[in-house]
Amino acid sequence: TQLLEQSPQFLSIQEGENLTVYCNSSSVFSSLQWYRQEPGEGPVLLVTVVTGGEVKKLKRLTFQFGDARKDSSLHITAAQPGDTGLYLCAGAGSQGNLIFGKGTKLSVKP
Amino acid sequence: DAGVIQSPRHEVTEMGQEVTLRCKPISGHDYLFWYRQTMMRGLELLIYFNNNVPIDDSGMPEDRFSAKMPNASFSTLKIQPSEPRDSAVYFCASGRGAGGQPQHFGDGTRLSIL
Repeated sequence: TQLLEQSPQFLSIQEGENLTVYCNSSSVFSSLQWYRQEPGEGPVLLVTVVTGGEVKKLKRLTFQFGDARKDSSLHITAAQPGDTGLYLCAGAGSQGNLIFGKGTKLSVKP
Repeated sequence: DAGVIQSPRHEVTEMGQEVTLRCKPISGHDYLFWYRQTMMRGLELLIYFNNNVPIDDSGMPEDRFSAKMPNASFSTLKIQPSEPRDSAVYFCASGRGAGGQPQHFGDGTRLSIL
């Protein structure tokens, strides 16, 4: 069974701080996606990483796919209150579906 | 562009009643997914369709749950009879292609069974 473990489960920080959240698995994934979900809304895709070792940047967000394609990380520099939300990673499943982790709930206080 | 549209946004009903959730996917998307989200279990895949055909319904919790996709622009998820443990946020998502392709989510239906 393909599983994705995300850590930490909860994270509360002050505006301006840096943070990293993790997405780990014992399985290899052909690609991983990161989504952000705000309260009362559905998840919205941030990025897809495909190649082992790949690094993608989206403004203050940096995404990395592990060399072995079993893990990924999301680093946020100088977090802002607008970054608050649930961050979900998802891997391509073997049945044409996506397998989601349980997410990291981030709260950035002004 | 119109996104995935779900209705209703909120539903409160009593145990034993039939509940029908509706979804209109993005035009041109050939995959449609139904998910359930709770604090305890996170986002769980219930069932998904490809070109209106159910591909995998192994996530459907019980026979009380059923889903249909009569055409490319409409899908329903039905619970009959409903139970309090069905209370959750139900999401519909659509996408082009399988596996690693992005999914576009609706804003969900918050279901409360009393």
